[in-house]
Amino acid sequence: GEDVEQSLFLSVREGDSSVINCTYTDSSSTYLYWYKQEPGAGLQLLTYIFSNMDMKQDQRLTVLLNKKDKHLSLRIADTQTGDSAIYFCADTGFQKLVFGTGTRLLVSP
Amino acid sequence: NAGVTQTPKFQVLKTGQSMTLQCAQDMNHNSMYWYRQDPGMGLRLIYYSASEGTTDKGEVPNGYNVSRLNKREFSLRLESAAPSQTSVYFCASSFRGSHNQPQHFGDGTRLSIL
Repeated sequence: GEDVEQSLFLSVREGDSSVINCTYTDSSSTYLYWYKQEPGAGLQLLTYIFSNMDMKQDQRLTVLLNKKDKHLSLRIADTQTGDSAIYFCADTGFQKLVFGTGTRLLVSP
Repeated sequence: NAGVTQTPKFQVLKTGQSMTLQCAQDMNHNSMYWYRQDPGMGLRLIYYSASEGTTDKGEVPNGYNVSRLNKREFSLRLESAAPSQTSVYFCASSFRGSHNQPQHFGDGTRLSIL
């Protein structure tokens, strides 16, 4: 079946860039998503990329897609303490999304 | 805008008790989903409803039942709660379950089974 994998933790200093990586197995993916979960809250859609794109930029967020290697990354520029959260990538499966285990981003002052 | 509303937000049950978690969306979405979130395991799909009148099992359906009451509401029932069902439960909805539709999530129900 489909599988999505992420590293569990990332720690950065405020002002640095953060890069969160994700790999997926489904070669027929059409959209790939990034969600953010803050403590005690549900998942909030951050951004997404269509599979025929290599890159998408949205303010401080840059999504890179390497379809050949089935690798997706989320870069957060000028990371702030408010960016501390769990970040999930998700792949489109049949009638549902397949989520990774989430990467916990810790931003220290 | 309310979006996806889950009730209750917190609940403590004893082993063997039953409970229904409620979910409602006001975005006229066709598809609805129930997930559980456990530390280090990400989100696991319990059941989903691609459209009103249909329900399907997800990855971890054992011990749960669902009802798609109408287009807005999708409930999750634990008939005989077990400690292994202690988790955070999320409801989500999307316009369609197809590839280009993102899911919108509620804030979760934190459930403890003693």
